Amino acid sequence: GENVEQHPSTLSVQEGDSAVIKCTYSDSASNYFPWYKQELGKGPQLIIDIRSNVGEKKDQRIAVTLNKTAKHFSLHITETQPEDSAVYFCAASETGGSYIPTFGRGTSLIVHP
Amino acid sequence: DAGITQSPRYKITETGRQVTLMCHQTWSHSYMFWYRQDLGHGLRLIYYSAAADITDKGEVPDGYVVSRSKTENFPLTLESATRSQTSVYFCASSPGSPDSYEQYFGPGTRLTVT
Repeated sequence: GENVEQHPSTLSVQEGDSAVIKCTYSDSASNYFPWYKQELGKGPQLIIDIRSNVGEKKDQRIAVTLNKTAKHFSLHITETQPEDSAVYFCAASETGGSYIPTFGRGTSLIVHP
Repeated sequence: DAGITQSPRYKITETGRQVTLMCHQTWSHSYMFWYRQDLGHGLRLIYYSAAADITDKGEVPDGYVVSRSKTENFPLTLESATRSQTSVYFCASSPGSPDSYEQYFGPGTRLTVT
């Protein structure tokens, strides 16, 4: 089955800095890579996703890059703000058969004002 | 209101008791999932369902039972609760189609087994 590794487990930055979270996956058949943000006491919420036919996707201060050859993808947050503080999860899945996302263990992002 | 809801939000039960966590979604999504979240382990899949009357095991299914007689409901039952099942449980749903693979998560149920 799929295995997703996520690093770092904790990331502390100053407001205004950039933050990068990296994930690797093992199954070359995976073709859908979402990122979820989980605020304290809430369920995760999708913030951005990318499919395997795209190398990069941006949405305002958030971007995701995908390197299929190396089997890794990254979340980039620019101009971080205190409200970006949360736990971020990456996931990978194949969409051809049963849809079963595999999640990384999460990164706790702390943005200091 | 449209969305995904879980009940109860908090539950304390004793070892050996049966407890059922409820999940309800209003979008008629095909896929539904149950995860448990423990510190250091992220989100671990317990069971999932691709459609009504179709369920399958995830990464950590032991001690849990699910059913899905209706598309909108996906209850999770702990047949004989153990302390190791103390956790936060999240239900999620997804269209699971090329139009969207986004998972929509409920607010979670915090379960404590004493």
